[in-house]
Amino acid sequence: KQEVTQIPAALSVPEGENLVLNCSFTDSAIYNLQWFRQDPGKGLTSLLLIQSSQREQTSGRLNASLDKSSGRSTLYIAASQPGDSATYLCAVAGKAAGNKLTFGGGTRVLVKP
Amino acid sequence: DADVTQTPRNRITKTGKRIMLECSQTKGHDRMYWYRQDPGLGLRLIYYSFDVKDINKGEISDGYSVSRQAQAKFSLSLESAIPNQTALYFCATSDLSQETQYFGPGTRLLVL
Repeated sequence: KQEVTQIPAALSVPEGENLVLNCSFTDSAIYNLQWFRQDPGKGLTSLLLIQSSQREQTSGRLNASLDKSSGRSTLYIAASQPGDSATYLCAVAGKAAGNKLTFGGGTRVLVKP
Repeated sequence: DADVTQTPRNRITKTGKRIMLECSQTKGHDRMYWYRQDPGLGLRLIYYSFDVKDINKGEISDGYSVSRQAQAKFSLSLESAIPNQTALYFCATSDLSQETQYFGPGTRLLVL
C-alpha cells in the first residue's frame, strides 16, 4: 500500500525566504505526482503535476522535483510572500492503485511579513 | 461560476440520521471522486466513478454510499451518520486525457 509522508507538518518563515517542502512515498511505481495548495475553507488547487518520466516542473516561482527511485519530491517556492501562506499537499497517482491519488498529510506554511 | 460545486457547504446532523452531500460539475469530465479530509491525515478516497455506469469503492467506503445520477452529478450518502464521520468532504473531477483533479470547495460535516 502506497504511503505518502510530508515533513514538516508546519513551517513558518519570514517574507522573502525560499520555501522547501518535502514529500516522500513508499512505492516508486507511480504515474505522476501532484502538488496542491489548500486555503482555509476552500478546496484544493493544483499547482504542479510531474509525470513519472520527468525530473522537475516549473511554474513561476514554483519548482517541483521528482526522484522516483528514492521516493521523494521537493517543492521549492522562491522569494516567499505572505500570500503563499496555505497548506501544501502532495499526492501520488500509483500504478497499483489504478491511477488514483494517495495524499500526504500536508505542510501548513505561514509566511510572516 | 465555479466548475465544481458542492451542497451544502456546512451541515450539522445527529447520530443515526441519513444525509446526502451533492456534487455537480460543469467541466464535462467523466471521472468523479469523493474524499474526506481529517486533520493531519490528508485526503482519503471514499468512492470514485469513471463514468455514469461505473462505481468503485475507495480506501474508506464503509458507512457511505454513492449515486452517479448523470455525468455531471455525483452524490454521497451517509445512511446512518456517526460522530467519527465528522470531517471535511471534497468532490473532485478529472477526465481521461487530463490527470489533474479539480476540487470543489468542500462540505464541512459535523455529526453530533
